[in-house]
Amino acid sequence: NAGVTQTPKFRILKIGQSMTLQCTQDMNHNYMYWYRQDPGMGLKLIYYSVGAGITDKGEVPNGYNVSRSTTEDFPLRLELAAPSQTSVYFCASSSGRRGDEQFFGPGTRLTVL
Amino acid sequence: GENVEQHPSTLSVQEGDSAVIKCTYSDSASNYFPWYKQELGKGPQLIIDIRSNVGEKKDQRIAVTLNKTAKHFSLHITETQPEDSAVYFCAASDSSYKLIFGSGTRLLVRP
Repeated sequence: NAGVTQTPKFRILKIGQSMTLQCTQDMNHNYMYWYRQDPGMGLKLIYYSVGAGITDKGEVPNGYNVSRSTTEDFPLRLELAAPSQTSVYFCASSSGRRGDEQFFGPGTRLTVL
Repeated sequence: GENVEQHPSTLSVQEGDSAVIKCTYSDSASNYFPWYKQELGKGPQLIIDIRSNVGEKKDQRIAVTLNKTAKHFSLHITETQPEDSAVYFCAASDSSYKLIFGSGTRLLVRP
């Protein structure tokens, strides 16, 4: 099992550009999550999904969109990138049982200039 | 909503000594408290967790304690080794599966 994979690893965007961060898991997990991690800070939940076709907002959803058309994939869309979105983005998944471990991908480092 | 505070932000210990990281939470409905370790350039990885019906849990050199009355929980690492150097995050969750993370502790173990 590859676990949770994310692409790209690094990306530089100009202000106003858009991009999609890809996330795929091969563990057949129902729950998937997107977090952002700013320097010296903890992880903040952006969006999460409890299954294909179901998504919901986390703590910091503004400026982002998500979709979940399959169990495996959970892409994160940035529209009109802003410098405040410079961060490291982590995707995670879990089976959904209460208190079940979340497995994290390696992250995408995004810089908006 | 839930708020998790974590202290200290940085911790430096001599190899072989113990390290303690403390977290407090605000929502009494939280019932699941995991600890994650993040090595440089990698995603966080679960190292130990505790549920609200348990006061203490151990796994080799790592232990976690929970005080529900005071709403705080702690990570204890004994006989620290250089490979324990990393950033450690505590988190709290209610039944909604969403984790609220602390701000992290950078642990440095000096050889």
